[in-house]
Amino acid sequence: EDQVTQSPEALRLQEGESSSLNCSYTVSGLRGLFWYRQDPGKGPEFLFTLYSAGEEKEKERLKATLTKKESFLHITAPKPEDSATYLCAVQASTLTFGKGTMLLVSP
Amino acid sequence: NAGVTQTPKFRILKIGQSMTLQCTQDMNHNYMYWYRQDPGMGLKLIYYSVGAGITDKGEVPNGYNVSRSTTEDFPLRLELAAPSQTSVYFCASSPGTPQETQYFGPGTRLLVL
Repeated sequence: EDQVTQSPEALRLQEGESSSLNCSYTVSGLRGLFWYRQDPGKGPEFLFTLYSAGEEKEKERLKATLTKKESFLHITAPKPEDSATYLCAVQASTLTFGKGTMLLVSP
Repeated sequence: NAGVTQTPKFRILKIGQSMTLQCTQDMNHNYMYWYRQDPGMGLKLIYYSVGAGITDKGEVPNGYNVSRSTTEDFPLRLELAAPSQTSVYFCASSPGTPQETQYFGPGTRLLVL
């Protein structure tokens, strides 16, 4: 059974305080690892797809990396508007989601 | 470009009532999905479709039914609502192969009392 574990469950940062979110996974036949952002009351919004170990992708203050067992979402100098829940999902036969990390960035 | 739209946004049902959650996408995507999201839990796949006329069960299909008569529409039917079906329901679509990005709708919040 495919499994995705995200840590921490919640993270509070000061504006400008960089940190990383973790997504560890076990899956048979990884076809892709996805990161989504979800704001309260909204649907998940796509951020990144990673397909193979060693791959990295960046978008503004976010950078996603992938190894054979986990992925990290690095947030550099976050701003309050980065506050959201960040979801990780792995694609094998279907897409399996983790429970998410709730990020709060205080001014 | 509207993307994935869902109606209604919010609904209260009594136990035993039936309803259909509507989902429409205007991106000409072949694949469509229904998920439910419960507090503190990851999204769980209910049903999915790889094209018009083809549907398949996901992880948590019990109590739900779907149909896919057109590429654009993928309604989710609840026949006999139960309190355990209180959740937020998301519809998603993707262009073709499973490893392509899924794009989500805004969700339908359902409360069964």
